[in-house]
Amino acid sequence: EAGVAQSPRYKIIEKRQSVAFWCNPISGHATLYWYQQILGQGPKLLIQFQNNGVVDDSQLPKDRFSAERLKGVDSTLKIQPAKLEDSAVYLCASSLGQLDTDTQYFGPGTRLTVL
Amino acid sequence: GEDVEQSLFLSVREGDSSVINCTYTDSSSTYLYWYKQEPGAGLQLLTYIFSNMDMKQDQRLTVLLNKKDKHLSLRIADTQTGDSAIYFCAESPLSGGYNKLIFGAGTRLAVHP
Repeated sequence: EAGVAQSPRYKIIEKRQSVAFWCNPISGHATLYWYQQILGQGPKLLIQFQNNGVVDDSQLPKDRFSAERLKGVDSTLKIQPAKLEDSAVYLCASSLGQLDTDTQYFGPGTRLTVL
Repeated sequence: GEDVEQSLFLSVREGDSSVINCTYTDSSSTYLYWYKQEPGAGLQLLTYIFSNMDMKQDQRLTVLLNKKDKHLSLRIADTQTGDSAIYFCAESPLSGGYNKLIFGAGTRLAVHP
């Protein structure tokens, strides 16, 4: 079974530029998550989708970050404009969407460096 | 509130047991999780425990849960160099009917010969 796919794996941009990340979840997984992992910290949830609807985006900096999940499958996360403090690994995860044992499976992440 | 705390670093000798500790705050968490992260990789689910259990064993891994003290531990028996990684504890409080994961900062396990 294929896992969660993410691209690109690495991205280097200058501050004030824009960047987009792509995620393809495990087939059949209704729930998709984007996390930000700053160096030396645990992942922090940015946004959670159930199919193509947003369940939780309370930690998403909406002035610069946006995300969408068209057709309830793939998702993109965009940062515009980027700041130095956005340097982090952006992890995508997916789960079946059940309310009991809803195990999350993670992709390899995209490492973003903002100069 | 939601907060997960872990010690940041653990060093063990190959063949010894490793014990990684974690404290959490949200008593509504139905499940508690342990994830492993190797350099440059995403998070790999190691194991999880249901909140009404005290212990769960899975091959070399033993999870102990003290729900009264909100304390979780992961024991790795016969630790190998391949176990060197960062281990994350996570609680899963209910939020709007959905589970979300709150991670600790991770414990870096170094295994030396």
